[in-house]
Amino acid sequence: AQSVAQPEDQVNVAEGNPLTVKCTYSVSGNPYLFWYVQYPNRGLQFLLKYITGDNLVKGSYGFEAEFNKSQTSFHLKKPSALVSDSALYFCAVRDTYGQNFVFGPGTRLSVLP
Amino acid sequence: DGGITQSPKYLFRKEGQNVTLSCEQNLNHDAMYWYRQDPGQGLRLIYYSQIVNDFQKGDIAEGYSVSREKKESFPLTVTSAQKNPTAFYLCASSIDGLAGGVGTDTQYFGPGTRLTVL
Repeated sequence: AQSVAQPEDQVNVAEGNPLTVKCTYSVSGNPYLFWYVQYPNRGLQFLLKYITGDNLVKGSYGFEAEFNKSQTSFHLKKPSALVSDSALYFCAVRDTYGQNFVFGPGTRLSVLP
Repeated sequence: DGGITQSPKYLFRKEGQNVTLSCEQNLNHDAMYWYRQDPGQGLRLIYYSQIVNDFQKGDIAEGYSVSREKKESFPLTVTSAQKNPTAFYLCASSIDGLAGGVGTDTQYFGPGTRLTVL
């Protein structure tokens, strides 16, 4: 069965500092990994995905994520955080055998001015 | 949120009533999904549909029903059998369907409906 863990409920970072939001996963086959962001009372917005190829994936709004197969991780990163990045971030995984996404519990990112 | 609309944005229901949440997409996607989101939890899949006139139960289908009579529409009915229906409901769609998506397709989400039972 597929599963996703986001070990931190909350991440606080100062504006201008680099940020990392962690995600680890478990799948049976090859993983397809996604990051989404959710602002208050809104739907989820797609940020980026890893399907195959380069382990470093670049996405929207300056975010990137690094796929690490040996550590089964897909951490979300940004070199310089903005206050407007404050939101709820979800990691999701799908494998070649699964029909659907499995979402992590979410990590709330707060960027402090 | 572009391409997927959900209505209403807020919905209030009395106990014992059925209510229907609307989800429409103009992205020509085959697959559509309904999720429930509760505070502090991730999204949980209620139902999904890969093609018109076909749908499958997700992880928490009890107390819910759906239909997929048109490709563009996937309404969700929250029945009186759902014990704790107060939640934020999200609809999503993706390109893949029975034509053979292998999980690479991105799901795109609507803006959500917040349902409150009074």
